[in-house]
Amino acid sequence: AQKVTQAQTEISVVEKEDVTLDCVYETRDTTYYLFWYKQPPSGELVFLIRRNSFDEQNEISGRYSWNFQKSTSSFNFTITASQVVDSAVYFCALSPGSAAGNKLTFGGGTRVLVKP
Amino acid sequence: NAGVTQTPKFRVLKTGQSMTLLCAQDMNHEYMYWYRQDPGMGLRLIHYSVGEGTTAKGEVPDGYNVSRLKKQNFLLGLESAAPSQTSVYFCASNKDRGVGELFFGEGSRLTVL
Repeated sequence: AQKVTQAQTEISVVEKEDVTLDCVYETRDTTYYLFWYKQPPSGELVFLIRRNSFDEQNEISGRYSWNFQKSTSSFNFTITASQVVDSAVYFCALSPGSAAGNKLTFGGGTRVLVKP
Repeated sequence: NAGVTQTPKFRVLKTGQSMTLLCAQDMNHEYMYWYRQDPGMGLRLIHYSVGEGTTAKGEVPDGYNVSRLKKQNFLLGLESAAPSQTSVYFCASNKDRGVGELFFGEGSRLTVL
């Protein structure tokens, strides 16, 4: 069985502060995929990143960066110099690599509130 | 660009009533999914489909039925709604066998009284 844990339910920061969201996962698969999605107040889910289990390179995209550590089963997400528009719920998700389709297991989400 | 469209967006039901949520995608995607989102629990997979005419159970299938008669449509049915089915429902799709990005609809908020 797969499991994704986002221990932080809510984080509040002041604009321009950095914020790191933790994600810990459990899986027996050797091949799997990890995702982050953003859910702004409007409710839709916005894809941010996908990472496969064989690629442990960290990734940076603008103010967003991701740290994948297979040894600790973690896939953490950092927002640098946060902005009010970053206020949203962020979900980490896991998918088995061998199954047909993309059956994501989601974490409970972390609500980020960026105050001006 | 329509993408994934869900109807209705909002619905209030009484316990025991039935209803169908419709998901339509215009991207010619093979795979479609229904998730429900409850506070603090993230999204949980209800049912999914790997192609026209096929359906399979996800993590929380009880109380729901689905059909995929046309490739572009994936219907989620509640035969006898219960208060525990009060939730926000999301439909999603992706292109092929590969584990690519899921495209989500805007969600349908269902309240069962």
